[in-house]
Amino acid sequence: AQSVTQLDSHVSVSEGTPVLLRCNYSSSYSPSLFWYVQHPNKGLQLLLKYTSAATLVKGINGFEAEFKKSETSFHLTKPSAHMSDAAEYFCVVTPPSGNTPLVFGKGTRLSVIA
Amino acid sequence: DGGITQSPKYLFRKEGQNVTLSCEQNLNHDAMYWYRQDPGQGLRLIYYSQIVNDFQKGDIAEGYSVSREKKESFPLTVTSAQKNPTAFYLCASTPFAGSNTGELFFGEGSRLTVL
Repeated sequence: AQSVTQLDSHVSVSEGTPVLLRCNYSSSYSPSLFWYVQHPNKGLQLLLKYTSAATLVKGINGFEAEFKKSETSFHLTKPSAHMSDAAEYFCVVTPPSGNTPLVFGKGTRLSVIA
Repeated sequence: DGGITQSPKYLFRKEGQNVTLSCEQNLNHDAMYWYRQDPGQGLRLIYYSQIVNDFQKGDIAEGYSVSREKKESFPLTVTSAQKNPTAFYLCASTPFAGSNTGELFFGEGSRLTVL
């Protein structure tokens, strides 16, 4: 069965410093992987997605993620954090069947300190 | 503008009362989903529907009920059988049933507090 593990429940960075949010997946097939962002008391928004094309994926707001099959990882990065990046981030993997729903990680809360 | 509308945004109820949360979409999407979100637990799937008049249980369906009488509407009822209903509830949709592209479109959520 597929699963996704977000290695940190909370990450705190200073404004202007790099962001790294870690995600490992477990899958017996080649999955599609996604990062979603959720600002407080809001719904989730798609940040970026990997669907077996380029392994380095660029998303909105300067975020990017690299798919590394050998490490079963899909870490999210951004060179310079902005205060508006403070939010909850979810790593998501597709199931083997298109008829079953996505599998969500438990989320990483990103705090940005001025 | 197209999107998903959830109402109400905040809801307070007494223990033992049933509550219905509304979810309406004008995106012409086939599939709709209800998730529950609790701090530190991510999103957990309650129910989903891939076509009108059909729906499936998710991971935590006990104490909840849904209906899908119209393509654009997927209301969720939190019944008195739900032991701990206080949570943030999110409705989402995807364009096509049976083809999971991973791109979920979310509403703004409904926060239910049971007093």
